[in-house]
Amino acid sequence: EAQVTQNPRYLITVTGKKLTVTCSQNMNHEYMSWYRQDPGLGLRQIYYSMNVEVTDKGDVPEGYKVSRKEKRNFPLILESPSPNQTSLYFCASRRRTGVSSYNSPLHFGNGTRLTVT
Amino acid sequence: AQSVTQPDIHITVSEGASLELRCNYSYGATPYLFWYVQSPGQGLQLLLKYFSGDTLVQGIKGFEAEFKRSQSSFNLRKPSVHWSDAAEYFCAAIFMDSNYQLIWGAGTKLIIKP
Repeated sequence: EAQVTQNPRYLITVTGKKLTVTCSQNMNHEYMSWYRQDPGLGLRQIYYSMNVEVTDKGDVPEGYKVSRKEKRNFPLILESPSPNQTSLYFCASRRRTGVSSYNSPLHFGNGTRLTVT
Repeated sequence: AQSVTQPDIHITVSEGASLELRCNYSYGATPYLFWYVQSPGQGLQLLLKYFSGDTLVQGIKGFEAEFKRSQSSFNLRKPSVHWSDAAEYFCAAIFMDSNYQLIWGAGTKLIIKP
């Protein structure tokens, strides 16, 4: 089954303790992206990747890191989490990049709810 | 700056009634427009999209949307809602100079009254 898999689904941690949220897709998609969803703010893009070893900042990259060493994986790293990073996080992927990317829908994972105390 | 606005945070509709969710975009050129749905505890799923041509587009689950250039709007409609339509709905757009990244509205939560 074609899917985007995020782990964990729920995570409670303390300020400053490094964590990684994993994201894996089995559709051979070039493009992957991380979003955070907060009430009243919709989805805000954190980082995205057009292909292996190519990553770019989105609208809210501060406090986050990503890597794209393999096509299927796009982990989100919080080196020193803070309470303002408490949010619902989504990973998404799609087949195309660039001009024709509009013709390829985003596939989303089921989300990771992170609480930082 | 480009933006997508969904003016209604919540909408409550009786089961069987019609539905219209509003979406407006701000920019000069027509963007590519999308509606996504997020069911509770799930990721987002594409309902429909508009790129060009016929301004009334059909999507999955019985939804349709109409693009109106004069109003910079792309409103989502359904003639008769079902309880299973209760979800959050997001309008999004790709603008020509946004490096093909989606710009998202804040979402509208649809509540269905029995």
